[in-house]
Amino acid sequence: GAVVSQHPSRVICKSGTSVKIECRSLDFQATTMFWYRQFPKQSLMLMATSNEGSKATYEQGVEKDKFLINHASLTLSTLTVTSAHPEDSSFYICSARFWGGPMNTEAFFGQGTRLTVV
Amino acid sequence: QKEVEQDPGPLSVPEGAIVSLNCTYSNSAFQYFMWYRQYSRKGPELLMYTYSSGNKEDGRFTAQVDKSSKYISLFIRDSQPSDSATYLCAMSRSGGGADGLTFGKGTHLIIQP
Repeated sequence: GAVVSQHPSRVICKSGTSVKIECRSLDFQATTMFWYRQFPKQSLMLMATSNEGSKATYEQGVEKDKFLINHASLTLSTLTVTSAHPEDSSFYICSARFWGGPMNTEAFFGQGTRLTVV
Repeated sequence: QKEVEQDPGPLSVPEGAIVSLNCTYSNSAFQYFMWYRQYSRKGPELLMYTYSSGNKEDGRFTAQVDKSSKYISLFIRDSQPSDSATYLCAMSRSGGGADGLTFGKGTHLIIQP
């Protein structure tokens, strides 16, 4: 299947600092990228949807000024957690979808990023 | 009530057994139903994809969707230790690429050799 690379896989940062997470589609062009968050023993929850060249659409309850999403190209989306606090500690995972062919409805996932804010 | 309910397990069965994994959901707008498998420290990978009600079979895996009951299932025949993983059900309103997925919590499955 298609490959989505997410980096870093694990990051520890100090409270008040910002952290950037990258999501790259390595062998296909992702028209849409999604960012999810998973707290312990909870479901993966959709945070936002971004289309290349457009502003991201955020789910209810997700602060757009805190979680900045940039999808500047068809192969790269970034999530920046600004002024991170301990309650932002979570597992963040991206997924990418593309149009065309029989696979146009599948979402491929990155490996996820474990963020710990201390 | 959560949109998607899934028993987190763990579910432990002997090798060779038939495994049944299930999810229920509350939003009747969901039309597309998926099962993902996730190994530790990896992203989810798509196993089965079904549109609307019905059955779909792929090798040892069978997915069933009953929209009238808002209930979906994944069956694994002749289970193998390599099937040990977390299985996530997911669903969406559209299959057109623009809709994010709503996930269950995932069921942790252990196949005992």
